[in-house]
Amino acid sequence: NAGVMQNPRHLVRRRGQEARLRCSPMKGHSHVYWYRQLPEEGLKFMVYLQKENIIDESGMPKERFSAEFPKEGPSILRIQQVVRGDSAAYFCASSPTRGRVVAGELFFGEGSRLTVL
Amino acid sequence: AQTVTQSQPEMSVQEAETVTLSCTYDTSESDYYLFWYKQPPSRQMILVIRQEAYKQQNATENRFSVNFQKAAKSFSLKISDSQLGDAAMYFCAYRGVGAQKLVFGQGTRLTINP
Repeated sequence: NAGVMQNPRHLVRRRGQEARLRCSPMKGHSHVYWYRQLPEEGLKFMVYLQKENIIDESGMPKERFSAEFPKEGPSILRIQQVVRGDSAAYFCASSPTRGRVVAGELFFGEGSRLTVL
Repeated sequence: AQTVTQSQPEMSVQEAETVTLSCTYDTSESDYYLFWYKQPPSRQMILVIRQEAYKQQNATENRFSVNFQKAAKSFSLKISDSQLGDAAMYFCAYRGVGAQKLVFGQGTRLTINP
């Protein structure tokens, strides 16, 4: 059973370009979460999605950032017009449906490291 | 809003010794989950141990155990017989039963001295 898959693992962009990070949750999981980790800091919640719905985006910056989890395909975190401050590791996590939550645990991918030049 | 505080940015321990990492949290909820995650240099987030707030018994996983003090809102992690492979960042995390997101502490960097 494959874990949470994120790609690309490493992404380099120049200021002003767009970054797209993809996340495929574990099989059977319909809840996806995105977290950002700045260097030497903890993980900060960004957004929580279910299929075709954004449930909680309280951690998302108001501008340039968006996320989706379509009916088919992976979840996408999109950052438009990247700036150097966007350089970070972006982690995706998934969990099963509410009735099958395994003691509340989230399963994390290996992260996507974005570097903005 | 729930908050998680780890007051020890760095800790070190001799190999084979025991070390305790501290964590406190703030919540108004009565039922919730608490976790310790480990992040080695590979940056993979690895679940170490979980505790459900309604359970009075402290969770244990091999060399890892917790001291859960619900009234004090304290959730410390004890690592016994420390091994070199335990060197990593350790994050304490909170998750409400109704809520879906994990709230993380700032992390504690653990160094194991051979």
